Amino acid sequence: AQRVTQPEKLLSVFKGAPVELKCNYSYSGSPELFWYVQYSRQRLQLLLRHISRESIKGFTADLNKGETSFHLKKPFAQEEDSAMYYCALSYNQGGKLIFGQGTELSVKP
Amino acid sequence: ETGVTQTPRHLVMGMTNKKSLKCEQHLGHNAMYWYKQSAKKPLELMFVYSLEERVENNSVPSRFSPECPNSSHLFLHLHTLQPEDSALYLCASSQDQYGTRAFFGQGTRLTVV
Repeated sequence: AQRVTQPEKLLSVFKGAPVELKCNYSYSGSPELFWYVQYSRQRLQLLLRHISRESIKGFTADLNKGETSFHLKKPFAQEEDSAMYYCALSYNQGGKLIFGQGTELSVKP
Repeated sequence: ETGVTQTPRHLVMGMTNKKSLKCEQHLGHNAMYWYKQSAKKPLELMFVYSLEERVENNSVPSRFSPECPNSSHLFLHLHTLQPEDSALYLCASSQDQYGTRAFFGQGTRLTVV
């Protein structure tokens, strides 16, 4: 069965420190992986997708099929990065998503 | 408001009540989804509609009844809910069921008493 695991419920770092939010998935085919972010009092929104190989707000994520991981990284965290981050997987080219449990990122001044 | 809009934002209902959640999207998308976000659990997909037809029902109890009258509107009718159904219910839409860039509403916080 398809599954997405985010092992950390809470990640707390200081401003300017590097941050890595972990995401591992289980799926035997070729998945599409995403990171969604939810800032306080705002709706869930797409941060980035592995197909685009883009960098949004300084965040990047590389799909590692060998390790079945899609970790989200940023070299220098900012206070405004504090939010809930959800890793998600889409399979069979379907629009439905399977989400991880989310990681709360807290960036302290 | 553009994007995906959900009403109401908050809802408290008794176990014998009947209520409905509404979702509206102004993005011209053809696929719409209901997700449930419970405390301490991942977001769970409940229903998928594509071109107003239900294409997926993820073993959701019959006390949740979706309705998609057109591609812009999606409802979730609720009746005889249980306290464990209290959660955040999120609506999302995408271009089609094969388009994975989903846009989410802000959710309806449901409390069943």
